[in-house]
Amino acid sequence: ELKVEQNPLFLSMQEGKNYTIYCNYSTTSDRLYWYRQDPGKSLESLFVLLSNGAVKQEGRLMASLDTKARLSTLHITAAVHDLSATYFCAVDERGGADGLTFGKGTHLIIQP
Amino acid sequence: DTAVSQTPKYLVTQMGNDKSIKCEQNLGHDTMYWYKQDSKKFLKIMFSYNNKELIINETVPNRFSPKSPDKAHLNLHINSLELGDSAVYFCASSQYTSGGPHSTDTQYFGPGTRLTVL
Repeated sequence: ELKVEQNPLFLSMQEGKNYTIYCNYSTTSDRLYWYRQDPGKSLESLFVLLSNGAVKQEGRLMASLDTKARLSTLHITAAVHDLSATYFCAVDERGGADGLTFGKGTHLIIQP
Repeated sequence: DTAVSQTPKYLVTQMGNDKSIKCEQNLGHDTMYWYKQDSKKFLKIMFSYNNKELIINETVPNRFSPKSPDKAHLNLHINSLELGDSAVYFCASSQYTSGGPHSTDTQYFGPGTRLTVL
């Protein structure tokens, strides 16, 4: 059974600081996704990582994938309050046929 | 121009009732999904469906059944609702392109339906 583990599950940080969220998974998949969810809202796609060594950046967020280590990271640079949300990583084991297996999410609070 | 839509947004009902949640996507995708998000925010796949294959997560009770009248719709029907069914249900869709250098395979999620069983 595929397992996806995120850490930390809860993170409180100050604006301007840098931090990294880690996502470990137990399969050999090379398809990993990051989503953002605001309270009471749907999931917004942030990054799609489809190969070993993939790195994508959008604003203050950067995601990377190391399929050999079965590890993805989501790095936050110079955090701002608007980035407060819950961040999920998810793994696709069979090219979409089985749906995504999600981590438990990282609840991120960025304080002024 | 909503990509994935769900109705209703909120659903409050009594135990034992039967209810349906509707989902429509206008992205032309060939695969649709239902996910359940529990009170701890944990997301779990329930079903994935394309025009060839229905895959059911083995942990989903058979009181839950997906119904697809056409490629753009995947409705979720729930029989004999129980207290533990209370959750947010998300529909999603994607284009199953089996990877490749130009594939995005992003799953787009609907707004969610908050189901409360009393």
